[in-house]
Amino acid sequence: ETGVTQTPRHLVMGMTNKKSLKCEQHLGHNAMYWYKQSAKKPLELMFVYSLEERVENNSVPSRFSPECPNSSHLFLHLHTLQPEDSALYLCASSQRRNTEAFFGQGTRLTVV
Amino acid sequence: QKEVEQNSGPLSVPEGAIASLNCTYSDRGSQSFFWYRQYSGKSPELIMSIYSNGDKEDGRFTAQLNKASQYVSLLIRDSQPSDSATYLCAVLRGAGGFKTIFGAGTRLFVKA
Repeated sequence: ETGVTQTPRHLVMGMTNKKSLKCEQHLGHNAMYWYKQSAKKPLELMFVYSLEERVENNSVPSRFSPECPNSSHLFLHLHTLQPEDSALYLCASSQRRNTEAFFGQGTRLTVV
Repeated sequence: QKEVEQNSGPLSVPEGAIASLNCTYSDRGSQSFFWYRQYSGKSPELIMSIYSNGDKEDGRFTAQLNKASQYVSLLIRDSQPSDSATYLCAVLRGAGGFKTIFGAGTRLFVKA
């Protein structure tokens, strides 16, 4: 099992669809993150969960809804997205908040 | 002023040369500094972390930190074509709440 696994790897969805991204970490870490990476822009932190409690929400639109049922799993629920939401969505985990992060392979999302 | 600044490149070096990647940051209270490598179409992977002034070496990689100058660099000795990637600098900011901020990355191209 790789350290941080994301599914699906690619997703195409219409603006009226509802979908979910899944992330699972096998590293025994206590913090998990969702990042957005758009072309030619820095990684943008979206959400941070530490010990399953959401500790940071960086003014992300409500059409993105995270869920962290336990320390190993993280979801990002998507609904009524816009074309500008098309990007690479990366999940990461770390031993504690803001220590070295290990990234999943990402989900390439295209909103049509 | 961006919180973490990197030259976008591309930085082109011949095989076997030393590649020098630079990063500056704006928050003097920053505490932890990370370098990630990201191949095209892949997710970032951690190369080095550095926390105190000076040099830290790991194989062909050396991270250098100068907190007074708010500057962190990554040197890659004996550069190989397989080092061709985008290198992301990440800084744990202290002010305004602990948060890891990523630079936009420097593209490195090692010519065989």
